[in-house]
Amino acid sequence: DQQVKQNSPSLSVQEGRISILNCDYTNSMFDYFLWYKKYPAEGPTFLISISSIKDKNEDGRFTVFLNKSAKHLSLHIVPSQPGDSAVYFCAASGQGSQGNLIFGKGTKLSVKP
Amino acid sequence: EAQVTQNPRYLITVTGKKLTVTCSQNMNHEYMSWYRQDPGLGLRQIYYSMNVEVTDKGDVPEGYKVSRKEKRNFPLILESPSPNQTSLYFCASSFISAHTEAFFGQGTRLTVV
Repeated sequence: DQQVKQNSPSLSVQEGRISILNCDYTNSMFDYFLWYKKYPAEGPTFLISISSIKDKNEDGRFTVFLNKSAKHLSLHIVPSQPGDSAVYFCAASGQGSQGNLIFGKGTKLSVKP
Repeated sequence: EAQVTQNPRYLITVTGKKLTVTCSQNMNHEYMSWYRQDPGLGLRQIYYSMNVEVTDKGDVPEGYKVSRKEKRNFPLILESPSPNQTSLYFCASSFISAHTEAFFGQGTRLTVV
């Protein structure tokens, strides 16, 4: 059973607009959440993270929101740029298992000029 | 330059022929991990290591072995590869654990025929 779900395989937005990527999780023991971005033929790169003691974390154009009661997090990219076109993976880890990392299946973002 | 280096980048092998994929990092990271990426399944963790001589199973460890004899290296061993191990493999390292920013290698595309 999938513990981390990204239900939208793809998303297309216009340059300059907001991109919102969603992620749901089922395991209430998860307390660290990370987003990674992946371009074709490259390894994933870290984007932003959030711990369960927070409900929001910002880094430039990227903001992650965490709703623990709904077991839901979202990544907002404002404004979206063509270079943001990539596959975005949500990942989760628990305090009791600091080595274990569970990824979602990814969402492919296309930002059109 | 800080990096995670995997070798080889591409490998075609036959069923049952033992192989090793090497992974090396130059950032003095404690934590290292292996993942496989398959279409429609996202990234799945195979094994991870919290420190030298400390390894543990991820979500899909069957058919794989690892070792961590020194901090910088974390080889992935397939003692008897099978076609269902055809995949894209990524090695990653981070400072302490899966909770911290991970740096990924470029990937190894393995085909088992």
